[in-house]
Amino acid sequence: DGGITQSPKYLFRKEGQNVTLSCEQNLNHDAMYWYRQDPGQGLRLIYYSQIVNDFQKGDIAEGYSVSREKKESFPLTVTSAQKNPTAFYLCASMGLSQETQYFGPGTRLLVL
Amino acid sequence: SQQGEEDPQALSIQEGENATMNCSYKTSINNLQWYRQNSGRGLVHLILIRSNEREKHSGRLRVTLDTSKKSSSLLITASRAADTASYFCNAPSGGSYIPTFGRGTSLIVHP
Repeated sequence: DGGITQSPKYLFRKEGQNVTLSCEQNLNHDAMYWYRQDPGQGLRLIYYSQIVNDFQKGDIAEGYSVSREKKESFPLTVTSAQKNPTAFYLCASMGLSQETQYFGPGTRLLVL
Repeated sequence: SQQGEEDPQALSIQEGENATMNCSYKTSINNLQWYRQNSGRGLVHLILIRSNEREKHSGRLRVTLDTSKKSSSLLITASRAADTASYFCNAPSGGSYIPTFGRGTSLIVHP
């Protein structure tokens, strides 16, 4: 099955700890995106990558980092600098046609 | 800034009624997409309407596009409790488009 996967489904972070959220796609899409969603809110763009080995900051990149070493993978690291990391994180990918974004099932990050 | 803002923010109806939500955008578009998000899940693509189309149907979904008003409507007919979700629109404008989203319309369908 083609699609986009995220892991883990739930992630717990201790104060001062960095944690990494995984996002993998087998859709052969060039573009990948990370969004943050707070309760009752829309999606806010954290980082995006339109091609391997290149990525750009979105609207709320502070306290986050990404890498794009492979076309299929776009991991997001929530660093200790992100003081309010509790949220629902969504990864998405899109092909060149810009017609449809495919979303993963999300990772819910909680702080211990 | 986002290309696509939904209205109303919340909509509560009874099962069997129709639900209408709207999307406004600012610049000319290639197409307009509607997505659904069930609670605690990722977004799912529902329907796409191209800039040269005025209306499109998919099952109980009807989408209209008015490019002169820079707006689109999503109509869900004969709503079911399972339609309870948040609905988002997205309107790519060509070039190096970066998809951003508004707050969506939260639809509650009461059984």
